[in-house]
Amino acid sequence: EAGVTQSPTHLIKTRGQQATLRCSPISGHTSVYWYQQALGLGLQFLLWYDEGEERNRGNFPPRFSGRQFPNYSSELNVNALELEDSALYLCASSSRTGGLETQYFGPGTRLLVL
Amino acid sequence: DAKTTQPTSMDCAEGRAANLPCNHSTISGNEYVYWYRQIHSQGPQYIIHGLKNNETNEMASLIITEDRKSSTLILPHATLRDTAVYYCIARGGSQGNLIFGKGTKLSVKP
Repeated sequence: EAGVTQSPTHLIKTRGQQATLRCSPISGHTSVYWYQQALGLGLQFLLWYDEGEERNRGNFPPRFSGRQFPNYSSELNVNALELEDSALYLCASSSRTGGLETQYFGPGTRLLVL
Repeated sequence: DAKTTQPTSMDCAEGRAANLPCNHSTISGNEYVYWYRQIHSQGPQYIIHGLKNNETNEMASLIITEDRKSSTLILPHATLRDTAVYYCIARGGSQGNLIFGKGTKLSVKP
């Protein structure tokens, strides 16, 4: 069974540009979570999508947004990139809404903002 | 979700058992204890979780004290590939997301 996949693996952007990161969950999983791990910092929760709806949002500005598609894959969009957005962005999926199902993580997308 | 406290770092000799402690003294009755690990710059890997009974799988064992205020993750025969940051998370699930602390950096040495 394939795990969570993310693309691209690396992304280089300049300040002010937009970045789009993609995530495909494990087959059968309906929930997708996004986390940010900036250098030297812990994993911070960004967004939770389930059944196409945003269920919860972390303490991030509105320029961080996303969506979930009918096939349960998800996109994370970061607008007006700032230098401090440079980080490893991790996607996780779980099998059911309700919030207690085990989350499985992808390998991440490393975003560098110059 | 309850706050957890873990040692910043630990060393373990290759082939020996690694015992990683976690305190979660404010855990509530419906919160599970989850363990993940993150090997350098990779995505976190799920290890094990439990509510009040001890649990074992192919990766590790989880021992939860009777009062549920602390737990220990046991890697029975640590290898160099077990070198990673280990995160203990107390999770009730209402918000969906996991709340990661700083974890314990385990170094397995030959």
